[in-house]
Amino acid sequence: EAGVTQSPTHLIKTRGQQATLRCSPISGHTSVYWYQQALGLGLQFLLWYDEGEERNRGNFPPRFSGRQFPNYSSELNVNALLLGDSALYLCASSLKGQGYATNEKLFFGSGTQLSVL
Amino acid sequence: DQQVKQNSPSLSVQEGRISILNCDYTNSMFDYFLWYKKYPAEGPTFLISISSIKDKNEDGRFTVFLNKSAKHLSLHIVPSQPGDSAVYFCAAIGAGGADGLTFGKGTHLIIQP
Repeated sequence: EAGVTQSPTHLIKTRGQQATLRCSPISGHTSVYWYQQALGLGLQFLLWYDEGEERNRGNFPPRFSGRQFPNYSSELNVNALLLGDSALYLCASSLKGQGYATNEKLFFGSGTQLSVL
Repeated sequence: DQQVKQNSPSLSVQEGRISILNCDYTNSMFDYFLWYKKYPAEGPTFLISISSIKDKNEDGRFTVFLNKSAKHLSLHIVPSQPGDSAVYFCAAIGAGGADGLTFGKGTHLIIQP
């Protein structure tokens, strides 16, 4: 069974441009999460989508947005790129929301390395 | 403000010995804790977790200890093996999980032969 897949693996953009990152969850998973890992920092929660709706977002500006499609795949868009947006962007999926009571855990993709020049 | 802190950016341990990775948290609303392991060019993978109603959870060579009063948890790996060399992230989540997992910055564990 395929795991979480992300594309592209690497993305190089210049300041002011827009970046689009894509994620396909594990089959049967309805929740998709986006995390940012900037150099020297831990994973920062960006967005959570479940059943096509945005459920929550982390402490990031509106330049960071996304959506979830009917097939549960997801897209992260970053507008008006800044140098500081350079980071590894990780997508994760789970069966539903992070319901730890049911012992669900996140399954991560390998990430998209975004470089803003 | 870091709510989950891993104060050791790196840790070097000899093969066969015990590796102890530490994690502190500040948010008393956290009630479920997880450890993830990450190899270069790969996404993090779930390793082990513990609920706040427990103080220990064991899975093979991996044991996680939770000290709620000290807001501290640790991951023990015994015996340490070369394949354990990776970055280990401590993560925490509060009731409902709506705010997503809060991760620490990670500790790079290096197992020396």
